[in-house]
Amino acid sequence: KQEVTQIPAALSVPEGENLVLNCSFTDSAIYNLQWFRQDPGKGLTSLLLIQSSQREQTSGRLNASLDKSSGRSTLYIAASQPGDSATYLCAPNSNTGKLIFGQGTTLQVKP
Amino acid sequence: SQTIHQWPATLVQPVGSPLSLECTVEGTSNPNLYWYRQAAGRGLQLLFYSIGIDQISSEVPQNLSASRPQDRQFILSSKKLLLSDSGFYLCAWSVYGGGVEELFFGEGSRLTVL
Repeated sequence: KQEVTQIPAALSVPEGENLVLNCSFTDSAIYNLQWFRQDPGKGLTSLLLIQSSQREQTSGRLNASLDKSSGRSTLYIAASQPGDSATYLCAPNSNTGKLIFGQGTTLQVKP
Repeated sequence: SQTIHQWPATLVQPVGSPLSLECTVEGTSNPNLYWYRQAAGRGLQLLFYSIGIDQISSEVPQNLSASRPQDRQFILSSKKLLLSDSGFYLCAWSVYGGGVEELFFGEGSRLTVL
């Protein structure tokens, strides 16, 4: 059974810092892994999808890496901004669409 | 472009009352559809998924049911709500192609059972 752990659970940083959010999963037999952002009281916004054959994926100031064999993924946020404040969720996909979510990392970027 | 709509956005219901949450997807055909629940202080839990009309799988035993009367419509229902049904319900869709499946979520429906 897939289990997902995200560290840290919460993070508060001043604006401009570079950040690393960590995600680990127990079952390495995954098709892909998605990173999502959730604002309070809102749905999930897909940020990045990494296929199992890829090692990293980039979108703007976001970079996600995947080490499938060790069951780890990281989300790197460069030059953080207050608008980046949200909860970030990782979700490996082991069986067509049945994403298993971590508890998330709640990020606060202070101006 | 594809869009997903959920309604109602907020719902307050008494224990024992029925429930109907609706989700529709536009701009795609034959999507996979999902219902997730996010309870307070807990992670997202997959409740139902559907690969086609009237093809629905339940992931956890519960007081809820799902139906897919049309290709792009997914409905979450209950005949009698329990307090434990309170939570944030999220509908999602995906299309599998080229070895990749990416999920996209709606804005969610917040249910409070009193």
